[in-house]
Amino acid sequence: NAGVTQTPKFQVLKTGQSMTLQCAQDMNHNSMYWYRQDPGMGLRLIYYSASEGTTDKGEVPNGYNVSRLNKREFSLRLESAAPSQTSVYFCASHGPNYNEQFFGPGTRLTVL
Amino acid sequence: AQSVSQHNHHVILSEAASLELGCNYSYGGTVNLFWYVQYPGQHLQLLLKYFSGDPLVKGIKGFEAEFIKSKFSFNLRKPSVQWSDTAEYFCAAYNAGNMLTFGGGTRLMVKP
Repeated sequence: NAGVTQTPKFQVLKTGQSMTLQCAQDMNHNSMYWYRQDPGMGLRLIYYSASEGTTDKGEVPNGYNVSRLNKREFSLRLESAAPSQTSVYFCASHGPNYNEQFFGPGTRLTVL
Repeated sequence: AQSVSQHNHHVILSEAASLELGCNYSYGGTVNLFWYVQYPGQHLQLLLKYFSGDPLVKGIKGFEAEFIKSKFSFNLRKPSVQWSDTAEYFCAAYNAGNMLTFGGGTRLMVKP
């Protein structure tokens, strides 16, 4: 039982490049989330998926797209990366027990 | 919109000192409250959670938090900190809108 996994762990992009961050969970959770973490701002929700086949915007969705590929996988795509998207990205899934969220190890993204 | 605020951005303590980190939330309805910890270079882990019942909640590693509804507060405490408690601590609140809102985080440094 690996929990929530994310790839890659680190990535450096140039402005304008695109990439997809992958997330998978093996806990059979319905809900999955993408957050970004910036110093002093805590975690801010980018997008979430309450169940397979649905996605919704969070607090900071601009510049991102998501795909809930199946119940296990939820990917985050940056179509044209900008320096403002330099951040640490965390994926999470929503457990069945009192709304506790389980987090992946994070992806540290730098956009030059 | 719901918000969560943490009053202290940085806290420095010596080992064996007592700890209290403040957290206030703005949502007036039923909330589920959490404290997460992020050790250097690691992902977020759940310290403790409150849903209902006894307002004094005990978590892992000797941490506890008290829910005071009249003050919209959920402060984290530990009677005697250790060097290994050096980490960033996040308060979070979940409401029925399917979103977990995080505070900005408090960086705790414990000096040996």
